[in-house]
Parts: sequence; C-alpha cells; structure tokens
Amino acid sequence: AQSVSQHNHHVILSEAASLELGCNYSYGGTVNLFWYVQYPGQHLQLLLKYFSGDPLVKGIKGFEAEFIKSKFSFNLRKPSVQWSDTAEYFCAVNALFPNNDMRFGAGTRLTVKP
Amino acid sequence: IAGITQAPTSQILAAGRRMTLRCTQDMRHNAMYWYRQDLGLGLRLIHYSNTAGTTGKGEVPDGYSVSRANTDDFPLTLASAVPSQTSVYFCASRASVGDTGELFFGEGSRLTVL
Repeated sequence: AQSVSQHNHHVILSEAASLELGCNYSYGGTVNLFWYVQYPGQHLQLLLKYFSGDPLVKGIKGFEAEFIKSKFSFNLRKPSVQWSDTAEYFCAVNALFPNNDMRFGAGTRLTVKP
Repeated sequence: IAGITQAPTSQILAAGRRMTLRCTQDMRHNAMYWYRQDLGLGLRLIHYSNTAGTTGKGEVPDGYSVSRANTDDFPLTLASAVPSQTSVYFCASRASVGDTGELFFGEGSRLTVL
C-alpha cells in the first residue's frame, strides 16, 4: 500500500513570506494527488488536486503544487501567505490499484504571524 | 443541503461498551471511507467501501468493523471500545472509483473512551 510523508510538522511564517510544504509518497503505480486544508475546528477541504496533464496545478486561495514523478513528490507552494492561511495542511495520495483507497500524510501545521 | 452527515458529533463512552458511529451521504457517491484523526498522525484510514455491498481494510482496521448495505449509509462499529480509540472520526465519500478522486468529508465525530 502507498504511504505519504510530510516532512514539516510545524511551520511558522510571517505574513507575506513564501511557503513550500513538502510531500513525498511511496508507490510505483498511477496516482492521483491532493492537498487538503483544515482550518481550526473545521473538517478537511480540498485545496487542489492532480490527476493528469500539466504537473503544475493551481488551487484555491493562491496555492499551487508541482508533481515531480521522478521524485515521487507533490510539494505545495504559495508565494505570499496571509494570516488567514493558518491551518493544518494534509497531502493525500489515491493509488488506483489495487484498492483505490486514499492515504493521508501526518499533516503540517502552518502558523502565520500577522 | 447535500453532503455527509455524521452522528453523534461527540460521545463519551466507557471502555468495553459497543458503539456505532453513523454516516449518511445523499450525493449517491459509490465510495465511502472512515478515517481517524490523531494529533501528529494525521488521518489514518480505518475501512473503506468502493461500492455498496463491498468493504475493505485500511491502515488501522483492528477493533473496528463496517457494513455497506446500501449506497447512502456506512456505519462504523467499535465492538468493545478501548481508550486508544479515543479520536476524532471522519467519514468521507467520493463519486466513483474512476473519477478524479476528490473526497468530501463529514463534520467529524469526537469519541472519548474512558
């Protein structure tokens, strides 16, 4: 089964700083890739997804992610963070075979200081 | 409002008791999932169902069982609760096995086992 690693457990940034959160997965087959965000007290919401085509995908709120197949990576980026981006971010991998299930990383907590 | 409904939203339970967390979706999604969310561990897949009548084990299935008698309902049962099952449980669904795989989440059920 696939596994997902997020290398940063807690990231603290000032407003307007650039953000990059790492995500690596272990699985050799076809995958769909996702980033979800969880604001305090809320459930997970989709930020962006990759399933085919251009490996650079753009999501909501100015986030983007790049799929690098050779590195099994799908890092999340944002050029300039805002205080409202404070949340927990989860990378997720859907391996189409054999079970088509969805596995999540442990999450990265982002704190943006105003 | 279309979506996923989980019940109860919060429950305190004595160890050894049986508990069923309910999950209902009205989006006619084929695939459904149960995750538990624990601090520092992210979301871990407990069980899943790719279509009504079928279920599968995820990463942490021990102590839990599920059933999928119809498309809409996917209850999670703890036969004999233990304190390590204290967690927040999220039910999720997505349209079908062949789609781009975005998950829709319920609001979560916070379970405390004493």
